[in-house]
Amino acid sequence: QQQVKQSPQSLIVQKGGISIINCAYENTAFDYFPWYQQFPGKGPALLIAIRPDVSEKKEGRFTISFNKSAKQFSLHIMDSQPGDSATYFCAPRGGGTSYGKLTFGQGTILTVHP
Amino acid sequence: NAGVMQNPRHLVRRRGQEARLRCSPMKGHSHVYWYRQLPEEGLKFMVYLQKENIIDESGMPKERFSAEFPKEGPSILRIQQVVRGDSAAYFCASSPRTGEYEQYFGPGTRLTVT
Repeated sequence: QQQVKQSPQSLIVQKGGISIINCAYENTAFDYFPWYQQFPGKGPALLIAIRPDVSEKKEGRFTISFNKSAKQFSLHIMDSQPGDSATYFCAPRGGGTSYGKLTFGQGTILTVHP
Repeated sequence: NAGVMQNPRHLVRRRGQEARLRCSPMKGHSHVYWYRQLPEEGLKFMVYLQKENIIDESGMPKERFSAEFPKEGPSILRIQQVVRGDSAAYFCASSPRTGEYEQYFGPGTRLTVT
């Protein structure tokens, strides 16, 4: 059973455009909703995260929108830059007995053309 | 403040050999998580440890895999009698304490089984 579905699988955006990546989940016990950025050959780096009592969080060019009733959250990258080209993962954290565990989506490969 | 350190960065083993992967968490962090990333896939949770305790090993294969986080020294992920299907990138993450949501990832160990 796939608990976290991420879309799209790949995304091409022009420099200055808006990149939007979506994540849908099934487990209502998730209690923390981060996005990670990964460059080839590197480990994932925490980009931005939100807790379920908040519907939106903005940090610089990055915004998370969270819809608890729809069990979805999304990452918006404003003014996308070539340096943003990377793979992005949503990775909600399990609540209950799995409180330490992150469940990763399949990833979205973002390419920003100059 | 040094980040999460993993070594070796690359490890080549022949089928049937043992692989030992080491992870030193960030200074002051007492929680360690191991994840595995197969080619073109997202990361999959393996195990969550605190000093001298395994908290959640629900993602660990039942055979050949073990993990420890001793009172002194790094966390070790041990794979006995490796098979080709064990070839993957293994990432370690750490967090400071229970209830702290952020997990910080190391650069990973890329295991190749020949």
